[in-house]
Amino acid sequence: NAGVTQTPKFRILKIGQSMTLQCTQDMNHNYMYWYRQDPGMGLKLIYYSVGAGITDKGEVPNGYNVSRSTTEDFPLRLELAAPSQTSVYFCASSYSSHRLLYFGPGTRLTVL
Amino acid sequence: GQQVMQIPQYQHVQEGEDFTTYCNSSTTLSNIQWYKQRPGGHPVFLIQLVKSGEVKKQKRLTFQFGEAKKNSSLHITATQTTDVGTYFCAGLERDGGSQGNLIFGKGTKLSVKP
Repeated sequence: NAGVTQTPKFRILKIGQSMTLQCTQDMNHNYMYWYRQDPGMGLKLIYYSVGAGITDKGEVPNGYNVSRSTTEDFPLRLELAAPSQTSVYFCASSYSSHRLLYFGPGTRLTVL
Repeated sequence: GQQVMQIPQYQHVQEGEDFTTYCNSSTTLSNIQWYKQRPGGHPVFLIQLVKSGEVKKQKRLTFQFGEAKKNSSLHITATQTTDVGTYFCAGLERDGGSQGNLIFGKGTKLSVKP
C-alpha cells in the first residue's frame, strides 16, 4: 500500500493564481482531511470529508474549496492564491472519525 | 473554542537525558492522540489514550492521560538522536452529535545533542 500520496511536493504560485493540490489514499478510509502547518503553529484543519460526496469546513476554510467524488481522492483547490496561504499542506485519512490519522508527505506551497 | 496548549515549545537535551512534554486542554477530551514529526517529514501517529488516568508505554516512551481527561504528557527516558523531531498532542472533543473536533497543540520541538 502506498498509503496517502500528495502531489505536487513543492509549488510556487503568484498572487491571484489558482491550483489544485491532489491527495489520494489506497486504504479505503472513509475519512479524509486537509491540514495546513505554519511554522510553530501546529496543524490547522481546513476541510474534512466523512465519505464520498460529503465535505465539511474545518477551522480555517476561507480561500479553499474541496470535493470528494470518490473514496480515494480528496483534492484541495485554491482559487485566488494569497501570500497568507504560504504554508505546508498535509492531507490525511483515517478509518474512524478524527482518530489515528495517516498523513501524506505534504505539499510545500509558496505564494509570491 | 477548544484550545490545546503544549509546553515547552522547544527542548534541547543531551543524549541520554530524559524529556517530557505536556499538553493541557481547556475542555474535557474524549481522547488524546500523540504524533511525531521528524524534520522535513510528516506527522506520524504514535498512540491514542482514551481512559481517565490511562498510562501506556512504548519502549522508552511513556504516555499519560490525566484523571480529568484535560491533560496529558509524553515522557522519553534516556533520549537518543533518533528521538529528534516535533511531538504533537491532539485532543478530540465531542460536541453533541457532531463528528468531533481534533485540535492539535503547537508541538514541542526536541533536539538531542550526541
